Amino acid sequence: AQSVTQPDIHITVSEGASLELRCNYSYGATPYLFWYVQSPGQGLQLLLKYFSGDTLVQGIKGFEAEFKRSQSSFNLRKPSVHWSDAAEYFCAVVASGGYNKLIFGAGTRLAVHP
Amino acid sequence: ETGVTQSPTHLIKTRGQQVTLRCSSQSGHNTVSWYQQALGQGPQFIFQYYREEENGRGNFPPRFSGLQFPNYSSELNVNALELDDSALYLCASSLGGSGETQYFGPGTRLLVL
Repeated sequence: AQSVTQPDIHITVSEGASLELRCNYSYGATPYLFWYVQSPGQGLQLLLKYFSGDTLVQGIKGFEAEFKRSQSSFNLRKPSVHWSDAAEYFCAVVASGGYNKLIFGAGTRLAVHP
Repeated sequence: ETGVTQSPTHLIKTRGQQVTLRCSSQSGHNTVSWYQQALGQGPQFIFQYYREEENGRGNFPPRFSGLQFPNYSSELNVNALELDDSALYLCASSLGGSGETQYFGPGTRLLVL
């Protein structure tokens, strides 16, 4: 069965430090992968997506992610974190089956220290 | 361009009652998906509607049902509410087709007492 694993439940970084959030997926074919961000009590905002082609994808708010097929990973990175980046981050993959079902990881909660 | 909207924002119900949640999709989108997000967890897929037909369903019992209207807005109905139904219910709209980006609304937070 397809699945998404986000190994880090909670990460704390200092403002200005670099960030990497991990995501591993289980999927037979080339996956469609997404990163979403959720601020407290809010819906999900799309940060970036990977469908095919260049394995390094750029997103909004200075985020990027790299697709590595050999490692079944799609890690999210940002070179310098801002206090406003504190939120919960979800990695997701589109399930097989012909319709547009997203399978989400459990999320990583990011705290930013001043 | 109007984004995805949901109503109400918050709702409190008691066990055994029924609830209807509403979603207006983004302009031009013909597909609506509903997700349940329990506290501290990732969203779980409930079902999806494409052009007024259910075309995919997750592991949720039949008391979770839905509708999509000709203007592509949608409703989620839950009968015989249980305490475990307390969650944030998210609606997402997209163009039809696997892999199309889903755009989420702000959600409806349901509390079942």
